[in-house]
Amino acid sequence: GESVGLHLPTLSVQEGDNSIINCAYSNSASDYFIWYKQESGKGPQFIIDIRSNMDKRQGQRVTVLLNKTVKHLSLQIAATQPGDSAVYFCAENAGGTSYGKLTFGQGTILTVHP
Amino acid sequence: DGGITQSPKYLFRKEGQNVTLSCEQNLNHDAMYWYRQDPGQGLRLIYYSQIVNDFQKGDIAEGYSVSREKKESFPLTVTSAQKNPTAFYLCASSPRDRGRMEGYTFGSGTRLTVV
Repeated sequence: GESVGLHLPTLSVQEGDNSIINCAYSNSASDYFIWYKQESGKGPQFIIDIRSNMDKRQGQRVTVLLNKTVKHLSLQIAATQPGDSAVYFCAENAGGTSYGKLTFGQGTILTVHP
Repeated sequence: DGGITQSPKYLFRKEGQNVTLSCEQNLNHDAMYWYRQDPGQGLRLIYYSQIVNDFQKGDIAEGYSVSREKKESFPLTVTSAQKNPTAFYLCASSPRDRGRMEGYTFGSGTRLTVV
């Protein structure tokens, strides 16, 4: 859902369900996207990335979908586990001289109930 | 094991003081970055450096300073000019080759609190 002020979007699922986390990006020039997982008090961990010449990429239990037309990115987690509970961020990069400059979304809190 | 180390984990600053956050990496990465994270928000880029002795401002550089005298180290100073410094600070490093962005590695963060 949409975020308001400092309230992050939240997603609660049961263990074993599939989860879908959404992200809208803002820069039409962005051509590289990354999903990160951040657990409380820790730095973000890389999950999966995708380039703008692709619309889907699969990893282990995760799939990223990219819709450039509407500037939308999603992360699908299959068979969600309690250990997947964390804040998930998408990040975008426009390359060129902005190499390495990641612009992060606000994040989504995923809670997995046993 | 290779990695990126931030210290201290917790830091308390009095009003008007400058404080320096340490970031060291042994991944042989050329590029290093500092991000700020506020509660319930994403990360915002403060400064970044793609090569030794060179660095650029990010989106929120005011009130901060950095140096990059060694490839392994990228310390961040939070100056008294930063009016709202209480936040979680994250350092990251990466190869310069964007084809290897899975190597974009974050440290475990420093939580700075003004007292």
